[in-house]
Amino acid sequence: EAQLAESGGGLVKPGGSLRLSCAATRFTLDSYRMHWVRQTPEKGLEWVSSITAGGNYIDYADSVKGRFTISRDNAKNSLFLQMNSLRVEDTAVYYCATGGFGSNGVDFFDRWGQGTMVTVSS
Amino acid sequence: QSVLTQPPSVSGAPGQRVTISCTGSYSNIGAGYDVNWYQQLPGTAPKLLIYNNINRPSGVPGRFSGSKSGTSASLAVSGLQAEDEADYYCQSYDRSLSSWVFGGGTKLTVL
Repeated sequence: EAQLAESGGGLVKPGGSLRLSCAATRFTLDSYRMHWVRQTPEKGLEWVSSITAGGNYIDYADSVKGRFTISRDNAKNSLFLQMNSLRVEDTAVYYCATGGFGSNGVDFFDRWGQGTMVTVSS
Repeated sequence: QSVLTQPPSVSGAPGQRVTISCTGSYSNIGAGYDVNWYQQLPGTAPKLLIYNNINRPSGVPGRFSGSKSGTSASLAVSGLQAEDEADYYCQSYDRSLSSWVFGGGTKLTVL
């Protein structure tokens, strides 16, 4: 079965950094725009960032702009999220997801990983 | 406060039909952007349930259906089953925010 698997989550102090990875198995990522979405009990689901298939167009939510960097390595069939200057409010489960082709050019979130927990706390 | 508004909870008896509403505005649903729905079973990742307003991915039962009108959308679940008990989220795109946006989620309880 085709799957996505996130890794790299953990406990980090405010101001610290983490790098999340997302690996695909039994399918290739290079045809898909890829997304990071996070979830907290308080705020629910929140889109974080996206990167086009070729990596040439990137978007960020305002809440992470300037602190997070999305990237991909299609040769390694992987997606990454470098998170710097972490804040308590970044605490969440982080999911990677493939972008499905919406009818008006805007993706839906097709296949999701199982998520990785990021906890920012002193 | 989520950009898309959903009821916090709905419930129904086995075999009944329930609907979950998703209300947006003229900068998202009303601007013509598609609405998508996700099902999240306890302890698992969200799963795509309905895409492009009305379409079901392969493997999703026909008991699930979506609709969209104006600035709102709805998810209907007919013939409720115990396994449908989950959280359901709507999602669209907002042109003012230049961002994908979600509803706050609705917990469906099967009585």
